[in-house]
Order: sequence, then C-alpha cells, then structure tokens
Amino acid sequence: DVKVTQSSRYLVKRTGEKVFLECVQDMDHENMFWYRQDPGLGLRLIYFSYDVKMKEKGDIPEGYSVSREKKERFSLILESASTNQTSMYLCASSRGQPQETQYFGPGTRLLVL
Amino acid sequence: AQRVTQPEKLLSVFKGAPVELKCNYSYSGSPELFWYVQYSRQRLQLLLRHISRESIKGFTADLNKGETSFHLKKPFAQEEDSAMYYCALSGYLTGGGNKLTFGTGTQLKVEL
Repeated sequence: DVKVTQSSRYLVKRTGEKVFLECVQDMDHENMFWYRQDPGLGLRLIYFSYDVKMKEKGDIPEGYSVSREKKERFSLILESASTNQTSMYLCASSRGQPQETQYFGPGTRLLVL
Repeated sequence: AQRVTQPEKLLSVFKGAPVELKCNYSYSGSPELFWYVQYSRQRLQLLLRHISRESIKGFTADLNKGETSFHLKKPFAQEEDSAMYYCALSGYLTGGGNKLTFGTGTQLKVEL
C-alpha cells in the first residue's frame, strides 16, 4: 500500500511566521506535488517536482517555495505566512507517466492568524 | 493550457436514482482523464481513470473526444456515494514531468 504522510494535521501560525509543511512517501515515486484545497476552488497546484532537486511552479506559486533534497521528501515553505494562505494543504505523489494515479496525504489544515 | 470544468457545485439525488456528474476539459494533446473522490474525513483517492476502462463501485465514465467530456455516471445512487468528486486531467509538460489539473469539484448528496 502506498503511503503518503504529512507532518501535521492541524497548524496555527501567526502572520509573518515562516511555516514548513513536510510530506513523505514510501513508494519511490518520481513525482511529488503540493496543492491547496479551498471550497469552491477545488484543488490548485502550488508546486511540483519530478525528480530530486527539481521543482516546477504550478498555478499558484506566489508566496510559497519548495525543497526536494531526497526522493521521498517534499517540503512546502511559506516564507512569511499571510491570512490568505489559510487553507487545507494536500501533498501527493505518483510515478512519472501522466496516466499514473496520484496518491494523496491526509492533508494539513493551516490557520494563519 | 489544460483546463477542467465541473459546472455543478452541488448535485442532490434520491437513493436509487441515476447519477451523472459532468466534466468537460480543454487540452491540446491526447488527455489522460481521472475521477477522484473524497469521502467525509478521508483522504482524496482515485475512483477511476479512463485508460483502465473499468467500473468502480458501479461508476463508469466515457471519454468523448468530440464533446471533450468525461462525465461520471452511475445507474442507481447509494447513500455511501455521498462525497466530493473531482474530475482531473493529466498531460506531459515540455520541461519534463506531468501535471494534474483538477476541476472545482461537485458535492454529491444522496438523500433517502
């Protein structure tokens, strides 16, 4: 069974704080993704990575950065958290081909005060 | 650019009634299409993908390239089908890797 884990289920941070969200997968997948999920907007891709140390901007990268130093781990960084980054953050991983299934983590609900 | 449109935010049906969740897409190449589902308090998971041509939990979806649609159907809705459903499209990127674009989702509510 593929397992994607995220470091926290719930986080509360203050405006201006630096926030780290960690994601780990155990199936040796090439691709890893960070999305945010908001009511009425669906899932929007923030960043993705198709190899170690590779990263590509998704549809809404502003205010975020990522790091992939090891194949199994993909970190999302909010350099200076703002209230409009309050959201549910989902991590996913998949093999390299477009027809492959993406496997999702349980999500991190972030509240920025 | 790739885009997925789900026109209905909420679809409410009675148990035993047919269900159709609509999905239209825009993509210049040959798309890979998926339906993902999120049940209450569970993680998002794959329901089905068009390349497999299989029926999962009684759901089917046919890719219609002429109408650029991938509607999800089930002949008889069950209470346990109540969930959020997302249509998604995947395609190769010029720089490498592939990207999944999701629609905004349709909340299906099956009433008794």
